[in-house]
Amino acid sequence: SYELTQPPSVSVSPGQTARITCSGDALPKKHAYWYQQKSGQAPVLVIYEDSKRPSGIPERFSGSSSGTMATLTISGAQVEDEADYYCYSTDSGGNPRGVFGGGTKLTVL
Amino acid sequence: QMQLVESGGGVVQPGRSLRLSCAASGFTFSSYGMHWVRQAPGKGLEWVAVIWYDGSYKYYADSVKGRFTISRDNSKNTLSLQMNSLRAGDTAVYFCARDTSTYNYGMDVWGQGTTVTVSS
Repeated sequence: SYELTQPPSVSVSPGQTARITCSGDALPKKHAYWYQQKSGQAPVLVIYEDSKRPSGIPERFSGSSSGTMATLTISGAQVEDEADYYCYSTDSGGNPRGVFGGGTKLTVL
Repeated sequence: QMQLVESGGGVVQPGRSLRLSCAASGFTFSSYGMHWVRQAPGKGLEWVAVIWYDGSYKYYADSVKGRFTISRDNSKNTLSLQMNSLRAGDTAVYFCARDTSTYNYGMDVWGQGTTVTVSS
């Protein structure tokens, strides 16, 4: 079955740039979506279609995709950005099922 | 504003059934694909199923295929998940979520979730 691979954890100091990667064989053909989830809360969309930012999401959040890897970048990470981040995409086969990456715990301290 | 409210969670014995519902408001429900996503305690997000805007296509994760059925009633702005032959591994918070499109691209609006516990 199709899988998306993320690093389990990323750690940065406040004000530094955090980069979270997501690798998957279908990413050259399918968009990546990124979600932020804080403890006990529902996920929040922070990037859609690889690089688009929903209204209300701070400009420090950006996304890119190249080949089989998508990247979420948080420029000037803030303490409040500490959360779990998940990438999401779909399989490129004839059965377009969804899949989440395993999630990345971002620590900002 | 756009809102999704799940209901129907609870404690159920292994092998039994449960039906979850998701009430949508604040947007044209019939224009969007809809998903169910779950999260087991202390674990990551797991995609469960998607239904296209008109109900014409449905896709499931391998872990639930043949046991769970996703459906929608566009006249009532309601999404459902019928869960049969429940197992301990189905214990999770279940979220409904709206797709950004009529099909299956990715989710943009999420409910707060309803908890399902499968235990004897």
